[in-house]
Amino acid sequence: RKEVEQDPGPFNVPEGATVAFNCTYSNSASQSFFWYRQDCRKEPKLLMSVYSSGNEDGRFTAQLNRASQYISLLIRDSKLSDSATYLCVVNPSWGKLQFGAGTQVVVTP
Amino acid sequence: DTEVTQTPKHLVMGMTNKKSLKCEQHMGHRAMYWYKQKAKKPPELMFVYSYEKLSINESVPSRFSPECPNSSLLNLHLHALQPEDSALYLCASSQGDAANEKLFFGSGTQLSVL
Repeated sequence: RKEVEQDPGPFNVPEGATVAFNCTYSNSASQSFFWYRQDCRKEPKLLMSVYSSGNEDGRFTAQLNRASQYISLLIRDSKLSDSATYLCVVNPSWGKLQFGAGTQVVVTP
Repeated sequence: DTEVTQTPKHLVMGMTNKKSLKCEQHMGHRAMYWYKQKAKKPPELMFVYSYEKLSINESVPSRFSPECPNSSLLNLHLHALQPEDSALYLCASSQGDAANEKLFFGSGTQLSVL
């Protein structure tokens, strides 16, 4: 079993719709969690940090479920510019961040 | 705009060449990282420097040689690479060594080995 698992997608989303996807992790001792977005051939950019039960930033909401060992990302009112790959990153200990393979989101007009 | 600067942005090299990738950050971060990323795959950790000392080497072949001249600079020296080493090489930094540190990535060097 992979340490961090994500549905690769693609999630095809009409502009203005809501999309949500999950990331499961295997290490129950994991302390911090992050969502990064990555555009094709670009670097990952931090979208949100998740330290407690959840976090909200504008149209983006991340939730952490420690009992079931997953985090989710919800995007409301999707924009064309939200098209990207969303990487789930889990940190069980310093220096050894565990990356998911990413979930591709395609927002269509 | 990234505050971690990587050069060059693109590099094409032959298998007998020696080249270096450079990374610079001026955020006062004390940890710096090299990652390798293949298309449609997540970044893979290669090396971690903490307070200018190599703290993690993820069993990377010796044809990749990291160097940290000071707290702001990180180099990756390349020698006798193979075509399968072609990838996006990402430098990153974080403020310290706590488990909840966020990574800030540079824009990467797209490397092609012929």
